[in-house]
Amino acid sequence: DAGVIQSPRHEVTEMGQEVTLRCKPISGHNSLFWYRQTMMRGLELLIYFNNNVPIDDSGMPEDRFSAKMPNASFSTLKIQPSEPRDSAVYFCASSLTRTWPYEQYFGPGTRLTVT
Amino acid sequence: LAKTTQPISMDSYEGQEVNITCSHNNIATNDYITWYQQFPSQGPRFIIQGYKTKVTNEVASLFIPADRKSSTLSLPRVSLSDTAVYYCLVGAKAAGNKLTFGGGTRVLVKP
Repeated sequence: DAGVIQSPRHEVTEMGQEVTLRCKPISGHNSLFWYRQTMMRGLELLIYFNNNVPIDDSGMPEDRFSAKMPNASFSTLKIQPSEPRDSAVYFCASSLTRTWPYEQYFGPGTRLTVT
Repeated sequence: LAKTTQPISMDSYEGQEVNITCSHNNIATNDYITWYQQFPSQGPRFIIQGYKTKVTNEVASLFIPADRKSSTLSLPRVSLSDTAVYYCLVGAKAAGNKLTFGGGTRVLVKP
């Protein structure tokens, strides 16, 4: 059974470019989460969805960040324009449940480097 | 989300039991306690979740005293592959508030 799938695994881009990170949650899961991890800030929740609907995006750092979930099997996190301080590992996670406490299953992450 | 406090790091040896305690003095009545494990270059992995007393699965045990102001993750007979960072997460995310996993406990298992 496939876990959470993220692509690309690594992304290197120049400042000002648009970056799109992709996530496929575990089939049948109802909730999806986007996290960012850095040494300085740790693991921060950016946004999460229940049944494809964004529930809380208060963790999204700026308007440059946006996330969508057009269907139950796909989500994107977009950064436009990207900046060097956006360099981090971005994780997607999914959960079968729709409320806290979620039992979250994380993907392998996308390591983003913005130069 | 309740504020949590964990030791920054712990060392152990193969075959020993490792106990990591998480303090959460302001835990709310409805809050659950969840532990995650993270290896380098991987996403966190769910280990165990509990509300009170004791929960056990094939990987670990979680002990929660009656006042629920702390909890202890117990890893029996650790191996080198248990070297990882362990995070304690308590409660739910309140609307409008940020959710950040704490610093976690870095466990090093030595041969």
